[in-house]
Amino acid sequence: EDQVTQSPEALRLQEGESSSLNCSYTVSGLRGLFWYRQDPGKGPEFLFTLYSAGEEKEKERLKATLTKKESFLHITAPKPEDSATYLCAVQDSGNQFYFGTGTSLTVIP
Amino acid sequence: GAVVSQHPSWVICKSGTSVKIECRSLDFQATTMFWYRQFPKQSLMLMATSNEGSKATYEQGVEKDKFLINHASLTLSTLTVTSAHPEDSSFYICSAASGRRYEQYFGPGTRLTVT
Repeated sequence: EDQVTQSPEALRLQEGESSSLNCSYTVSGLRGLFWYRQDPGKGPEFLFTLYSAGEEKEKERLKATLTKKESFLHITAPKPEDSATYLCAVQDSGNQFYFGTGTSLTVIP
Repeated sequence: GAVVSQHPSWVICKSGTSVKIECRSLDFQATTMFWYRQFPKQSLMLMATSNEGSKATYEQGVEKDKFLINHASLTLSTLTVTSAHPEDSSFYICSAASGRRYEQYFGPGTRLTVT
């Protein structure tokens, strides 16, 4: 069964303390892996799409990487405004989407 | 680019009434739209997928007669919660995808409270 698992469920960082969020997946034929940021009471905001193993994308303090089994979202020198829930989703060869349960990130000043 | 709007952003209705939520893609044509429900501190739960001009495909356990979805055009989809009950209170989020790109773009969500 296709599945997406995110870890950790929650992460507390000091401002400036870099870390990584993990998204592991098992799908039948990956068409794309997506990262989103969601603030409380709002819809998810699109961050990145990764299509193939070895691909990397960056945006400000965020960098997403992809292997054949997992993706990492690296956060470099985070700031309090980076606090949010980060969601990972995958699309399989049948165009089905699967979302992880998210990592709740809190960055403490 | 890739902006999706939802209206209303919040609504309070009485039990037994129906509520319509609109989802619009503002700057692209959405060949596929998705409707999600989200409970507090939980992830997104897909309710249905709709393609323009076609009937929506509902996920298992979602009552299609209760949650009516209409994807009338390439920029508009509506979700109507019929005969709403307090247990239908939730955060409803739509998303849209174009035929050219795989990623979904989400609306800001609609908070529904049924009293």
